[in-house]
Amino acid sequence: DVKVTQSSRYLVKRTGEKVFLECVQDMDHENMFWYRQDPGLGLRLIYFSYDVKMKEKGDIPEGYSVSREKKERFSLILESASTNQTSMYLCASSRTGSDEAFFGQGTRLTVV
Amino acid sequence: DQQVKQNSPSLSVQEGRISILNCDYTNSMFDYFLWYKKYPAEGPTFLISISSIKDKNEDGRFTVFLNKSAKHLSLHIVPSQPGDSAVYFCAASARRGAQKLVFGQGTRLTINP
Repeated sequence: DVKVTQSSRYLVKRTGEKVFLECVQDMDHENMFWYRQDPGLGLRLIYFSYDVKMKEKGDIPEGYSVSREKKERFSLILESASTNQTSMYLCASSRTGSDEAFFGQGTRLTVV
Repeated sequence: DQQVKQNSPSLSVQEGRISILNCDYTNSMFDYFLWYKKYPAEGPTFLISISSIKDKNEDGRFTVFLNKSAKHLSLHIVPSQPGDSAVYFCAASARRGAQKLVFGQGTRLTINP
């Protein structure tokens, strides 16, 4: 069974903290993605990576960075968390050339 | 600037009837479209897709229709079942297998017994 696993289901962090969201996939997929889901806005792409150490900005990269040191792991970093980064964060992976992206269960982050 | 729009936030349908979920897009470069289904506390899962060279794709109870001239697609579920109650997201990309998908806002479908 294919799996994308996000390290936390729920997180509460304080404004100004550095926050790490971790994602691991076991399907040997080349591509990995970070989205955030907000009511009325759907899923918006923050960053994606198509290979180890490679990354590209998505539609809303401001305030975020990413790291991909190993093929199976893709980390999202909030350098200095702010309340407007309170959201549901979804990680996904896909094989190059495939239609289908596989999603993790999501991390609900609250910044207070 | 929402390039993919799902204008109905919610839809309620009787079990056994047809559910029709709609999606509009503005970017004429999009030529591959997908539907994802999301249950609470789970990530979205792929449901069905369609290329712009087709106007219809069917998979069991699910059919997606594409009207390129109107920049509109719809997902038909027939017959609707209680397990179909979920949030449905429409997504688009500029080519098949592209890494970047643009998602709509989602439509919450509720199937009533």
